Amino acid sequence: DIQMTQSPLTLYASVGDRVTITCRATESISSWLAWYQQKPGKAPKLLIYKASTLETGVPSRFSGSGSGTDFSLTISSLQPEDFATYYCHQYLTYSGTFGQGTKVEIK
Amino acid sequence: EVQLVESGGDLVRPGGSLRLSCAASGFPFDAYAMAWVRQAPGKGLEWVAVIGGNGARAFYADSMQGRFSVSRDNSRNTAYLQLNDLRADDTAVYYCARGLLVDSHFDHWGQGTLVTVSS
Repeated sequence: DIQMTQSPLTLYASVGDRVTITCRATESISSWLAWYQQKPGKAPKLLIYKASTLETGVPSRFSGSGSGTDFSLTISSLQPEDFATYYCHQYLTYSGTFGQGTKVEIK
Repeated sequence: EVQLVESGGDLVRPGGSLRLSCAASGFPFDAYAMAWVRQAPGKGLEWVAVIGGNGARAFYADSMQGRFSVSRDNSRNTAYLQLNDLRADDTAVYYCARGLLVDSHFDHWGQGTLVTVSS
């Protein structure tokens, strides 16, 4: 199975900061990677798919990059509503796997 | 508007069974794969299973193969997850999610249903 490793697991930041979360796969997944945002008690929400395609309605401060085994999610200017947990998800094969999650907390 | 509504979660004893449902609306149900993803309390997301739009193909996480079974009734716009031989570590919120294909990202998620396995 393909394993996904996110870093950091916790990130402390302030409103207005530029933040980057990374996700590494144990083998190449081409660009078959998605990013989700989850707030406490809520379902995950799709932000990015195919590594860098912004889902409709998602603010442009979110961006994704990478291919192969190394990927990143960047928030260009952190907003109060962005404090949440972020997950990467590889879907190269039908047996998808998620990263452990990165919690973005207020500094 | 796309809506996915899970139901069927409950408190069940170890070794017991449960069937979860995911009622869909707002899109052509048989054109999409439906997946199940779970989240244990305070933990991350775990992919469980997926079924193709016509129900012909279904895939499972290795750790759940043989105990869990996914199905769908396209006439009722509903997907199901049958959980058998439940264990304490199956305790989780179970989400259904929509994907274009069996190997796809998930663009819409339900609100989840809680399964608690305890004696």
